[in-house]
Amino acid sequence: EAGVAQSPRYKIIEKRQSVAFWCNPISGHATLYWYQQILGQGPKLLIQFQNNGVVDDSQLPKDRFSAERLKGVDSTLKIQPAKLEDSAVYLCASSLRDPGANVLTFGAGSRLTVL
Amino acid sequence: AQSVTQLGSHVSVSEGALVLLRCNYSSSVPPYLFWYVQYPNQGLQLLLKYTSAATLVKGINGFEAEFKKSETSFHLTKPSAHMSDAAEYFCAVSDPSAVKAAGNKLTFGGGTRVLVKP
Repeated sequence: EAGVAQSPRYKIIEKRQSVAFWCNPISGHATLYWYQQILGQGPKLLIQFQNNGVVDDSQLPKDRFSAERLKGVDSTLKIQPAKLEDSAVYLCASSLRDPGANVLTFGAGSRLTVL
Repeated sequence: AQSVTQLGSHVSVSEGALVLLRCNYSSSVPPYLFWYVQYPNQGLQLLLKYTSAATLVKGINGFEAEFKKSETSFHLTKPSAHMSDAAEYFCAVSDPSAVKAAGNKLTFGGGTRVLVKP
């Protein structure tokens, strides 16, 4: 099966600019996650979708970050305006909705550098 | 709230030697536990998972982990390191009671980077 697709792989912007990342999950995976991975740290959950509804966005800095999942498939994560501390890899993951310890499948990530 | 602590941010082993990566968790309920590996410029790949069945779990690439409730640990081992094992390893935990309602949301440890010396 095709994996989780993310783009762009790399993005360099200046602070106060905006950026958007796109994710296409594995076909049939109802649950989609965005994680932020700062250099030297483990991934931290930003937002979780079930189909096109938000399940958990408690860790999302809503003053500058926004995310949507149109039609329960693709998702976009936006940062506006970016800060230096937003430099990180943004990982998208997807999983089946069925109960049980379903495995999260991760994309390769989008690396953001804010100058 | 759940949390994961990985002891040692860097581990150096010789090729052919034992690999031991430590993970301790904090959870108010018996958790699900996972080990993921991340190669440079790639996403995370699942090595193995514990879901309350056998306490000794075997994964891919010769790795295994043992769930010890009394020690709240889930250490990862491999008997003989290979150069291709050089990567970063992450331990993660999720709450089974929340999975049914809200999906398998993972909380990750800080990671352990493994260097394999020839």
